[in-house]
Amino acid sequence: QVQLQQWGAGLLKPSETLSLTCAVYGGSFSGYYWSWIRQPPGKGLEWIGEINHSGSTNYNPSLKSRVTISVDTSKNQFSLKLSSVTAADTAVYYCARGFYDILTGSRGMDVWGQGTTVTVSS
Amino acid sequence: QSVLTQPPSASGTPGQRVTISCSGSSSNIGSNTVNWYQQLPGTAPKLLIYSNNQRPSGVPDRFSGSKSGTSASLAISGLQSEDEADYYCAAWDDSLNEVFGGGTKLTVL
Repeated sequence: QVQLQQWGAGLLKPSETLSLTCAVYGGSFSGYYWSWIRQPPGKGLEWIGEINHSGSTNYNPSLKSRVTISVDTSKNQFSLKLSSVTAADTAVYYCARGFYDILTGSRGMDVWGQGTTVTVSS
Repeated sequence: QSVLTQPPSASGTPGQRVTISCSGSSSNIGSNTVNWYQQLPGTAPKLLIYSNNQRPSGVPDRFSGSKSGTSASLAISGLQSEDEADYYCAAWDDSLNEVFGGGTKLTVL
Protein backbone atom coordinates (compact mmCIF):
# COMPACT_ATOMS: atom_id res chain seq x y z
CA GLN A 1 0.00 0.00 0.00
CA VAL A 2 1.66 3.19 -1.20
CA GLN A 3 1.66 6.06 1.28
CA LEU A 4 2.86 9.63 0.94
CA GLN A 5 4.16 11.47 3.98
CA GLN A 6 4.80 15.18 3.64
CA TRP A 7 6.34 17.81 5.86
CA GLY A 8 7.66 21.37 5.85
CA ALA A 9 7.45 24.77 7.49
CA GLY A 10 3.90 25.86 8.23
CA LEU A 11 4.38 29.57 8.90
CA LEU A 12 6.24 31.91 6.58
CA LYS A 13 6.73 35.65 6.25
CA PRO A 14 6.10 37.46 2.96
CA SER A 15 9.02 37.17 0.52
CA GLU A 16 10.32 33.94 2.09
CA THR A 17 10.59 30.63 0.26
CA LEU A 18 8.13 27.82 0.91
CA SER A 19 9.80 24.42 1.16
CA LEU A 20 7.95 21.09 1.41
CA THR A 21 9.07 17.49 1.02
CA CYS A 22 7.06 14.36 0.31
CA ALA A 23 8.33 10.83 0.95
CA VAL A 24 6.97 7.79 -0.89
CA TYR A 25 6.62 4.59 1.13
CA GLY A 26 5.61 1.11 0.03
CA GLY A 27 5.76 1.41 -3.73
CA SER A 28 7.81 2.06 -6.82
CA PHE A 29 9.10 5.56 -7.42
CA SER A 30 9.69 5.15 -11.12
CA GLY A 31 6.92 4.99 -13.68
CA TYR A 32 4.86 7.75 -12.09
CA TYR A 33 4.60 11.50 -11.96
CA TRP A 34 4.89 13.14 -8.53
CA SER A 35 2.72 16.20 -8.12
CA TRP A 36 2.00 19.13 -5.86
CA ILE A 37 -1.48 20.63 -5.52
CA ARG A 38 -2.71 23.37 -3.23
CA GLN A 39 -6.04 24.53 -1.83
CA PRO A 40 -6.49 28.03 -0.38
CA PRO A 41 -8.86 28.28 2.58
CA GLY A 42 -12.44 27.73 1.45
CA LYS A 43 -11.44 27.48 -2.20
CA GLY A 44 -10.82 24.84 -4.85
CA LEU A 45 -7.81 22.83 -5.94
CA GLU A 46 -4.92 24.31 -7.90
CA TRP A 47 -2.29 22.14 -9.57
CA ILE A 48 1.23 23.43 -8.96
CA GLY A 49 3.37 21.04 -10.97
CA GLU A 50 4.87 17.58 -11.33
CA ILE A 51 8.12 15.70 -11.76
CA ASN A 52 8.97 12.17 -12.83
CA HIS A 53 11.76 9.97 -11.52
CA SER A 54 14.19 11.19 -14.13
CA GLY A 55 13.60 14.83 -13.22
CA SER A 56 11.37 15.94 -16.08
CA THR A 57 8.98 18.64 -14.87
CA ASN A 58 5.77 20.41 -15.84
CA TYR A 59 4.58 23.52 -14.01
CA ASN A 60 1.42 25.57 -13.76
CA PRO A 61 2.10 28.56 -16.05
CA SER A 62 0.75 30.98 -13.44
CA LEU A 63 3.34 29.81 -10.88
CA LYS A 64 6.19 28.72 -13.11
CA SER A 65 8.45 31.68 -12.40
CA ARG A 66 8.45 30.93 -8.65
CA VAL A 67 8.25 27.12 -8.51
CA THR A 68 10.93 24.46 -8.41
CA ILE A 69 10.10 20.78 -8.00
CA SER A 70 12.98 18.38 -7.48
CA VAL A 71 13.39 14.67 -6.87
CA ASP A 72 15.76 12.54 -4.78
CA THR A 73 15.39 9.00 -6.06
CA SER A 74 17.86 7.64 -3.50
CA LYS A 75 15.40 8.57 -0.76
CA ASN A 76 12.15 8.16 -2.75
CA GLN A 77 11.36 11.79 -2.03
CA PHE A 78 10.35 14.83 -4.01
CA SER A 79 10.25 18.44 -2.95
CA LEU A 80 8.55 21.75 -3.67
CA LYS A 81 10.05 25.21 -3.41
CA LEU A 82 7.94 28.30 -3.99
CA SER A 83 9.80 31.57 -3.78
CA SER A 84 8.70 35.09 -2.85
CA VAL A 85 5.54 33.96 -1.09
CA THR A 86 2.68 36.33 -0.30
CA ALA A 87 -0.56 35.97 1.62
CA ALA A 88 -2.12 34.63 -1.59
CA ASP A 89 0.06 31.52 -1.21
CA THR A 90 -1.63 30.61 2.07
CA ALA A 91 -3.14 27.18 1.48
CA VAL A 92 -3.14 23.50 2.29
CA TYR A 93 -0.47 21.91 0.11
CA TYR A 94 -0.85 18.30 -1.00
CA CYS A 95 1.61 15.95 -2.65
CA ALA A 96 0.19 13.22 -4.86
CA ARG A 97 1.19 10.32 -7.10
CA GLY A 98 0.26 10.77 -10.74
CA PHE A 99 -0.17 7.89 -13.16
CA TYR A 100 -0.07 8.00 -16.93
CA ASP A 101 -1.26 5.25 -19.27
CA ILE A 102 0.59 5.73 -22.53
CA LEU A 103 -1.82 3.46 -24.40
CA THR A 104 -5.00 5.34 -23.50
CA GLY A 105 -3.56 8.75 -22.66
CA SER A 106 -5.30 8.47 -19.32
CA ARG A 107 -3.71 10.21 -16.37
CA GLY A 108 -4.72 11.12 -12.84
CA MET A 109 -3.61 11.37 -9.22
CA ASP A 110 -4.46 8.26 -7.24
CA VAL A 111 -2.54 8.55 -3.98
CA TRP A 112 -2.43 11.72 -1.91
CA GLY A 113 -0.49 12.94 1.07
CA GLN A 114 -2.18 14.16 4.22
CA GLY A 115 -1.73 17.84 3.39
CA THR A 116 0.35 20.57 5.02
CA THR A 117 -1.15 23.88 6.03
CA VAL A 118 1.08 26.78 5.05
CA THR A 119 0.27 30.27 6.30
CA VAL A 120 2.01 33.39 5.02
CA SER A 121 1.75 36.28 7.43
CA SER A 122 3.92 39.11 8.62
CA GLN B 1 -11.52 31.69 -12.00
CA SER B 2 -11.11 27.99 -12.73
CA VAL B 3 -10.34 26.70 -16.23
CA LEU B 4 -13.07 24.05 -15.98
CA THR B 5 -16.59 25.17 -15.05
CA GLN B 6 -18.72 23.36 -12.48
CA PRO B 7 -21.89 24.41 -10.67
CA PRO B 8 -20.97 25.58 -7.15
CA SER B 9 -23.61 23.45 -5.51
CA ALA B 10 -25.88 20.46 -6.00
CA SER B 11 -28.29 18.65 -3.75
CA GLY B 12 -30.49 15.61 -3.51
CA THR B 13 -32.37 13.41 -1.10
CA PRO B 14 -31.27 9.92 -0.07
CA GLY B 15 -31.84 7.42 -2.84
CA GLN B 16 -32.02 10.06 -5.55
CA ARG B 17 -29.77 10.37 -8.59
CA VAL B 18 -27.78 13.56 -8.99
CA THR B 19 -25.48 14.74 -11.73
CA ILE B 20 -22.67 17.28 -11.68
CA SER B 21 -21.50 18.88 -14.90
CA CYS B 22 -18.04 20.03 -15.94
CA SER B 23 -17.39 22.21 -18.95
CA GLY B 24 -14.02 22.83 -20.56
CA SER B 25 -12.51 23.51 -23.95
CA SER B 26 -10.86 21.79 -26.88
CA SER B 27 -7.44 22.02 -25.24
CA ASN B 28 -8.42 20.10 -22.11
CA ILE B 29 -11.62 18.03 -21.96
CA GLY B 30 -11.93 18.07 -25.73
CA SER B 31 -8.60 16.32 -26.24
CA ASN B 32 -7.81 14.56 -22.96
CA THR B 33 -9.51 12.31 -20.45
CA VAL B 34 -11.43 13.58 -17.43
CA ASN B 35 -11.04 12.63 -13.78
CA TRP B 36 -13.29 13.27 -10.82
CA TYR B 37 -12.16 13.69 -7.23
CA GLN B 38 -14.20 13.50 -4.05
CA GLN B 39 -13.12 15.55 -1.05
CA LEU B 40 -14.81 14.79 2.23
CA PRO B 41 -14.68 17.57 4.84
CA GLY B 42 -11.21 18.00 6.31
CA THR B 43 -9.58 15.31 4.19
CA ALA B 44 -7.40 15.02 1.12
CA PRO B 45 -9.08 14.54 -2.25
CA LYS B 46 -9.71 10.99 -3.43
CA LEU B 47 -9.72 9.80 -7.03
CA LEU B 48 -13.31 8.82 -7.79
CA ILE B 49 -13.40 8.44 -11.60
CA TYR B 50 -10.50 8.35 -14.06
CA SER B 51 -10.29 8.13 -17.84
CA ASN B 52 -13.80 9.64 -18.16
CA ASN B 53 -15.71 6.66 -16.81
CA GLN B 54 -13.41 4.23 -14.97
CA ARG B 55 -13.71 3.57 -11.26
CA PRO B 56 -10.64 2.79 -9.14
CA SER B 57 -10.88 -0.33 -7.04
CA GLY B 58 -13.14 0.22 -4.05
CA VAL B 59 -15.29 2.97 -5.54
CA PRO B 60 -18.96 1.91 -5.53
CA ASP B 61 -20.68 1.50 -8.89
CA ARG B 62 -23.18 4.15 -7.76
CA PHE B 63 -20.64 6.60 -9.13
CA SER B 64 -20.33 6.92 -12.89
CA GLY B 65 -18.75 9.36 -15.31
CA SER B 66 -19.23 10.34 -18.91
CA LYS B 67 -17.74 12.72 -21.43
CA SER B 68 -19.01 14.26 -24.63
CA GLY B 69 -17.04 16.80 -26.62
CA THR B 70 -15.78 19.47 -24.25
CA SER B 71 -18.06 18.55 -21.36
CA ALA B 72 -18.18 15.81 -18.78
CA SER B 73 -20.49 14.76 -16.02
CA LEU B 74 -20.48 12.78 -12.81
CA ALA B 75 -23.59 10.86 -11.80
CA ILE B 76 -24.31 9.53 -8.34
CA SER B 77 -27.23 7.15 -8.03
CA GLY B 78 -28.79 5.88 -4.83
CA LEU B 79 -27.54 8.98 -3.02
CA GLN B 80 -26.33 8.36 0.53
CA SER B 81 -25.58 10.72 3.39
CA GLU B 82 -21.88 9.83 3.22
CA ASP B 83 -21.75 11.18 -0.33
CA GLU B 84 -21.97 14.71 1.06
CA ALA B 85 -18.67 16.19 -0.09
CA ASP B 86 -16.98 18.49 -2.57
CA TYR B 87 -16.49 17.09 -6.07
CA TYR B 88 -13.87 18.31 -8.53
CA CYS B 89 -13.39 17.54 -12.19
CA ALA B 90 -9.90 17.69 -13.68
CA ALA B 91 -8.21 17.20 -17.01
CA TRP B 92 -4.81 17.58 -18.59
CA ASP B 93 -4.49 20.65 -20.75
CA ASP B 94 -2.46 20.67 -23.96
CA SER B 95 -0.48 23.60 -22.53
CA LEU B 96 1.12 20.92 -20.33
CA ASN B 97 -0.64 21.48 -17.05
CA GLU B 98 -3.46 19.90 -15.09
CA VAL B 99 -6.59 22.01 -14.74
CA PHE B 100 -9.38 21.67 -12.19
CA GLY B 101 -12.97 22.76 -11.95
CA GLY B 102 -13.94 25.09 -9.15
CA GLY B 103 -15.65 22.29 -7.27
CA THR B 104 -19.26 21.39 -6.52
CA LYS B 105 -20.52 21.12 -2.96
CA LEU B 106 -23.00 18.25 -2.79
CA THR B 107 -25.57 18.41 -0.01
CA VAL B 108 -27.69 15.40 0.92
CA LEU B 109 -30.99 16.79 2.19
